[in-house]
Amino acid sequence: NAGVMQNPRHLVRRRGQEARLRCSPVKGHSHVYWYRQLPEEGLKFMVYLQKENIIDESGMPKERFSAEFPKEGPSILRIQQVVRGDSAAYFCASSKDRKDTEAFFGQGTRLTVV
Amino acid sequence: DQQVKQNSPSLSVQEGRISILNCDYTNSMFDYFLWYKKYPAEGPTFLISISSIKDKNEDGRFTVFLNKSAKHLSLHIVPSQPGDSAVYFCAKFGNEKLTFGTGTRLTIIP
Repeated sequence: NAGVMQNPRHLVRRRGQEARLRCSPVKGHSHVYWYRQLPEEGLKFMVYLQKENIIDESGMPKERFSAEFPKEGPSILRIQQVVRGDSAAYFCASSKDRKDTEAFFGQGTRLTVV
Repeated sequence: DQQVKQNSPSLSVQEGRISILNCDYTNSMFDYFLWYKKYPAEGPTFLISISSIKDKNEDGRFTVFLNKSAKHLSLHIVPSQPGDSAVYFCAKFGNEKLTFGTGTRLTIIP
């Protein structure tokens, strides 16, 4: 009974490269959320997706960031042309229902841009 | 605009005593408040929640109190144990997403 799986756990990218972060939700969960934690800050909401749909992307930076949750396969958070300020821990959470308050979090991907 | 505020970045409590973590909020529109616990290099794990229509919820050693007039909630842990040492986040669930505070690092002193 696997929980939310995120990979990779650690990702190092040079400035200008692309970063792809993957999230496999709990089996049976069709709602995925991405959060970002910058150093010394709380978790900030980025995007909420259902299968093949973006429900709320109000927390996503307007440029370079995109997210998808295809019918088959994991949810992907993609950051193009990374900059040093993108260095953070990125957490994915999943829930069964859009009204489900208890979202289960993955262990996160720590992105370091050098 | 920080809707959920945890003004104490850290707290140290003697083992066996009560730990009280506080959280203030500005926007009264919410369905639930939740507390999450986070260990280093791990994701947050759900601890306890309280709905907007209640003022108290208890689960074992953990009790959450909600004061809507003061827009304040608190998490009480009693008795505190060494394994409770972690970062605690309060989070508001509204508009189908969680809005987190900045966290309080709790250290339990043996």
